[in-house]
Amino acid sequence: QLQLQESGPGLVKPSETLSLTCTVSRGSISSSGYCWGWIRQPPGRRLEWIGSICNSGSTYNNPSFKSRVTVSADTSKNQFSLKLTSVTAADTAVYYCARSAASLYAHWGQGTLVTVSS
Amino acid sequence: DIEMTQSPGSLAVSLGGRATINCKSRQSLLYSSSNKYNLAWFQQKPGQPPKLLIYSASTRESGVPDRFSGSGSGTDFTLTISSLQAEDVAVYYCQQYYTTPLTFGGGTKVEIK
Repeated sequence: QLQLQESGPGLVKPSETLSLTCTVSRGSISSSGYCWGWIRQPPGRRLEWIGSICNSGSTYNNPSFKSRVTVSADTSKNQFSLKLTSVTAADTAVYYCARSAASLYAHWGQGTLVTVSS
Repeated sequence: DIEMTQSPGSLAVSLGGRATINCKSRQSLLYSSSNKYNLAWFQQKPGQPPKLLIYSASTRESGVPDRFSGSGSGTDFTLTISSLQAEDVAVYYCQQYYTTPLTFGGGTKVEIK
């Protein structure tokens, strides 16, 4: 069974860069037909899709984040990552990594809480 | 962006009762090449990630009990829990995967009456 695990700092200062990594096990991020994405859930708010990277190398980002988001992959480590720059308190959320096929996210990590505070 | 609107925001149902959750999209989610609706339903319990229940508006994910069913067309969709069990207490979200940015509904909290 595919497993995804998020890792990274739980506390980030305002204006700094949030960096998270998702380690994939029992599956390869190079597998054809899949994309690997990030979704977040601010406290008490709805889920928000951030962006994704596909096995082809193509990336897709939510325009609401403007140019703050970078999703990248390291196939040698079977990991993919999220960088979100210039964070504010509004970026405080549980961040999930997940795998999609045809944009349908059927496999999710457990999520990691990131708090933006000085 | 395709806005997804869910109703009600919460509902309380007796054990064994029927729960009905509605989801409305701002535009049709019919994907012409497959002739299917790119609409999914997720269940989220406290402290857990969302779990995929239904995709293509009405197809149950493997392992999902058949008391969960999805229906709808065009821009209006429904998730029905036919006989509510205690383990079904959760927040339910609809999500469109017709186009990016992918968007979710605001969630419906289901509780036991």
